[in-house]
Amino acid sequence: GAGVSQSPSNKVTEKGKDVELRCDPISGHTALYWYRQRLGQGLEFLIYFQGNSAPDKSGLPSDRFSAERTGESVSTLTIQRTQQEDSAVYLCASSRGQGNGEKLFFGSGTQLSVL
Amino acid sequence: SQKIEQNSEALNIQEGKTATLTCNYTNYSPAYLQWYRQDPGRGPVFLLLIRENEKEKRKERLKVTFDTTLKQSLFHITASQPADSATYLCALGSARQLTFGSGTQLTVLP
Repeated sequence: GAGVSQSPSNKVTEKGKDVELRCDPISGHTALYWYRQRLGQGLEFLIYFQGNSAPDKSGLPSDRFSAERTGESVSTLTIQRTQQEDSAVYLCASSRGQGNGEKLFFGSGTQLSVL
Repeated sequence: SQKIEQNSEALNIQEGKTATLTCNYTNYSPAYLQWYRQDPGRGPVFLLLIRENEKEKRKERLKVTFDTTLKQSLFHITASQPADSATYLCALGSARQLTFGSGTQLTVLP
């Protein structure tokens, strides 16, 4: 597709359930980022993938959060045993390369609501 | 710890005026700085990049400055229009990470 695609666009779940969020980056983009945005807040870095390098997981808030990426394509962000404080918009972005000013292209996000 | 601060209050200006948004940072030495625009329900969209060795960049009605001594970037929108109303985010970049500020919500009044 022409842009970064995320699914689902909205997800409502019950506390304690696991959720899986998907991101399809722009074809050919080697870098992929996940951010979390709470209501009225800025973007909180979660995890970064660059090609076949080990991902930078330094932003993951707890071991309930994990992410995978298949080569340079689809990524999934998994949140286990969801808590109400996990409610937020989860944004995925991709870019052509690593750092050095490469602009990020964002998807529209997944709005996660934990009841 | 690293800290990025943008205009703490929402900014309202009259159509046709110049909007000036600030981005201040501490405990950080970014290699570059980017500005993004975010509309409700959408992901941020890239606007401008400025590197640490550059003082100023322009793109159409947009201008950004970067002062590494003051640790500050200013983002200007000249001849503002109601369509410029959005949240504007600054982001500081280094080798592998791009760290975002919390944004400034700009409203241009007709």
